[in-house]
Amino acid sequence: KNEVEQSPQNLTAQEGEFITINCSYSVGISALHWLQQHPGGGIVSLFMLSSGKKKHGRLIATINIQEKHSSLHITASHPRDSAVYICAVTNSNTGKLIFGQGTTLQVKP
Amino acid sequence: ETGVTQSPTHLIKTRGQQVTLRCSSQSGHNTVSWYQQALGQGPQFIFQYYREEENGRGNFPPRFSGLQFPNYSSELNVNALELDDSALYLCASSRGRQGSYYEQYFGPGTRLTVT
Repeated sequence: KNEVEQSPQNLTAQEGEFITINCSYSVGISALHWLQQHPGGGIVSLFMLSSGKKKHGRLIATINIQEKHSSLHITASHPRDSAVYICAVTNSNTGKLIFGQGTTLQVKP
Repeated sequence: ETGVTQSPTHLIKTRGQQVTLRCSSQSGHNTVSWYQQALGQGPQFIFQYYREEENGRGNFPPRFSGLQFPNYSSELNVNALELDDSALYLCASSRGRQGSYYEQYFGPGTRLTVT
C-alpha cells in the first residue's frame, strides 16, 4: 500500500462544476503539499499546509491531521484547470517528500 | 526573484551513455532536491543537497550521483544509462533541508529519453 493515496485517479468535469480531490496518508507528517502539473510540464506548488484550511482564488485546501486526510477543492472549474494534481507529504521522521500518484483532471467547456 | 530553472529541456541518449542534468535554484535557496518521475507515476526522491553536501538519498543506485556548487546550483549525473531511466527529472529548491517547514519550488523538468 502506498504511503500517500489519492482519489480519484482520473476525473472529468464540466466547466463550472465544483471539484474535490482527496488525499490520505499513513505516515506522520510535518507538512502536506498540493501540487499542479500540466502536460509535459514542471510542477507548481499550490499549497503547503500543516493544519486547517487555506484558500487561494478558486482553490481551497483542507487537512485533518487526526484522520490523516486532505482535500483539494476547485470552485467554478474552468478548462484551464485541466492538469494533474499531486498530493505530497513531508515525512516527519525521515524528512523526505513522499508523493501520491496524482489525479488527472479534465474540465470540459 | 528568479525561479528554478533546469537544462536541457529535452534530451535523447543511448543505453550505456552518461548524462548530466543541471538545475539553478531560486535566489536565496540553499537546498536542492532531485526527483525522477516516470510516465503516469508520481515523482520519486533521488537525493537532496544542502550547502554542497548530500543530505539524504532515495532508493537509487550509485550510478545516480550529484553535485551542488557554492552558488547552490546543482547537477544530476547518471552513468551507464538504462532504458528504465527514461523519465522526467525534476529539481526543487528550498530555503532549508527537507523535513523543515520550507516550501519546495520546482523547476520545469528535463525529459530524458533513453533508446
